[in-house]
Amino acid sequence: DAKTTQPNSMESNEEEPVHLPCNHSTISGTDYIHWYRQLPSQGPEYVIHGLTSNVNNRMASLAIAEDRKSSTLILHRATLRDAAVYYCILAGRETSGSRLTFGEGTQLTVNP
Amino acid sequence: NAGVMQNPRHLVRRRGQEARLRCSPMKGHSHVYWYRQLPEEGLKFMVYLQKENIIDESGMPKERFSAEFPKEGPSILRIQQVVRGDSAAYFCASSPTSGEAFFGQGTRLTVV
Repeated sequence: DAKTTQPNSMESNEEEPVHLPCNHSTISGTDYIHWYRQLPSQGPEYVIHGLTSNVNNRMASLAIAEDRKSSTLILHRATLRDAAVYYCILAGRETSGSRLTFGEGTQLTVNP
Repeated sequence: NAGVMQNPRHLVRRRGQEARLRCSPMKGHSHVYWYRQLPEEGLKFMVYLQKENIIDESGMPKERFSAEFPKEGPSILRIQQVVRGDSAAYFCASSPTSGEAFFGQGTRLTVV
């Protein structure tokens, strides 16, 4: 499995944008970049995924570098509920049928 | 549409007893995955099942652990002769034929 590298922790203030980086220099041409998050005492929750182009959904945006060796998850206005561990994962186009390899993730703290 | 349902949410077992963890996937989902999260560690893939078939069990410990996803009823993760090191949160995820994985709230197993 191709490896991803994320900062251990990040801090943000409520209602400010948050940029969570992820490095994946060994990404293969068929790997999609998936983001999941895990709130305290809960199961992981899908956030977003993409291949080459930037992606937007109701939860977040995903900015992918042109060489695909890094990506950034963007939360446009952080809320206290966004405090969680964010995981950047490389997997096939659909996570269906794919085992997800979770790393250590980034612990995001949101200050009121 | 109810989410992935896991029960029990909390399970306490004495060393040597059996633990049975149940997972009901989301309606229409045919893929089930089990992950384990040891205290202060990340999520680790255990097994991937489709109805009546084990597709990938590369993450399952070789002894005492088994999983099934019968034609009718929930998926079961069974741990025989539990030991203290089995204490962890066990998460089940399901996905449709294609698409992202949806996780349950987990079962927290404590072995005393």
